Amino acid sequence: GAVVSQHPSWVICKSGTSVKIECRSLDFQATTMFWYRQFPKQSLMLMATSNEGSKATYEQGVEKDKFLINHASLTLSTLTVTSAHPEDSSFYICSASGGERITGEAKFSYEQYFGPGTRLTVT
Amino acid sequence: GQNIDQPTEMTATEGAIVQINCTYQTSGFNGLFWYQQHAGEAPTFLSYNVLDGLEEKGRFSSFLSRSKGYSYLLLKELQMKDSASYLCAVMDSNYQLIWGAGTKLIIKP
Repeated sequence: GAVVSQHPSWVICKSGTSVKIECRSLDFQATTMFWYRQFPKQSLMLMATSNEGSKATYEQGVEKDKFLINHASLTLSTLTVTSAHPEDSSFYICSASGGERITGEAKFSYEQYFGPGTRLTVT
Repeated sequence: GQNIDQPTEMTATEGAIVQINCTYQTSGFNGLFWYQQHAGEAPTFLSYNVLDGLEEKGRFSSFLSRSKGYSYLLLKELQMKDSASYLCAVMDSNYQLIWGAGTKLIIKP
């Protein structure tokens, strides 16, 4: 399967600061990237969907000014949590879908390939 | 509205077989996915069904009935490492994934 990386894997920050999380598709070009949040013992909650070169589409209840998403290239999307608060502490997971492999034969798939996740703790 | 239902938790014995059911009601259908998620980790892909029938992949099989809005994931020869949450997700007519809440599977020796 395709490989998606996330950085950092965990981060601790102070309340009021901003944190940037990167999501990269390493061996394919992701036309669409998704950002999820998952609280302990709960299912994935989709926060936003972003297509390369266009503005992200946010799910209802997700503040777009607080969770800034940039999808500048077919292999990189970033999520910035601005003015983080303790209630923002969660497991943030990105996924990528679609596109063509950078090396090897072309492939298109609607399957979502997940990054390993970023655990954010706001103190 | 769109809805995915699956049991919250199941328990099974090592070496046995377990079937995890998923029923769905969505606006359109472009396939059903099963993902495995171990605690503290991201989901990993298990299977994709878009046509009716059974897809077998090693110890795991997934079944789909589109007319019934129903799928199941069958795990055979259970191993302790199979203890995880199993997520059912349906791709709707807009190619958006609608996620179930997940089924936590507990394997006992």
